[in-house]
Amino acid sequence: DTGVSQNPRHKITKRGQNVTFRCDPISEHNRLYWYRQTLGQGPEFLTYFQNEAQLEKSRLLSDRFSAERPKGSFSTLEIQRTEQGDSAMYLCASSLGASGSLTDTQYFGPGTRLTVL
Amino acid sequence: GQQLNQSPQSMFIQEGEDVSMNCTSSSIFNTWLWYKQDPGEGPVLLIALYKAGELTSNGRLTAQFGITRKDSFLNISASIPSDVGIYFCAGLQYNFNKFYFGSGTKLNVKP
Repeated sequence: DTGVSQNPRHKITKRGQNVTFRCDPISEHNRLYWYRQTLGQGPEFLTYFQNEAQLEKSRLLSDRFSAERPKGSFSTLEIQRTEQGDSAMYLCASSLGASGSLTDTQYFGPGTRLTVL
Repeated sequence: GQQLNQSPQSMFIQEGEDVSMNCTSSSIFNTWLWYKQDPGEGPVLLIALYKAGELTSNGRLTAQFGITRKDSFLNISASIPSDVGIYFCAGLQYNFNKFYFGSGTKLNVKP
């Protein structure tokens, strides 16, 4: 399978615990995005990487959230001291992001469903 | 952030009927995408639109990029039960370099 993969698919944790999710993008894609999706809503942008550089962060990304893409390939999203309001589907997407490209179609992974008890 | 208004919120139709849904905004977008999402899965890309006025088809799906760049619609012809799911529009503005998603249209198809 050459699509975007995410692990784990489901995570249940207790409030106050730290969690980490992983995303493996499509291999030749330079850009990697993280989104959060709550029930009945569309995905909301959190942050994105161009190769290993984190270029933009949403206001939704509080200090408890940190994302990395150390080698410009896979990415991790860590949530520290989880709160019940963090319960959501966390989606990763990747795109070609070619230099000078005016179009940047994103392909999504299956998501990680986080439940904070 | 930029708001995309997607309508209708939900639809109940009979198998074989045609479906139309749209997405509007007060802002201009440079790219429009339409995705379908099944429960517990990530969105799957259906159609991508890159130019104002562009009309693109993918099988029974047809989508158009509005001339004003502020809207897009998606039509599904001769619906079948596997069309059931939530359809999202997404718009990209180059200067913001991220996609904004609508809140989705939930489609139910009765066999």
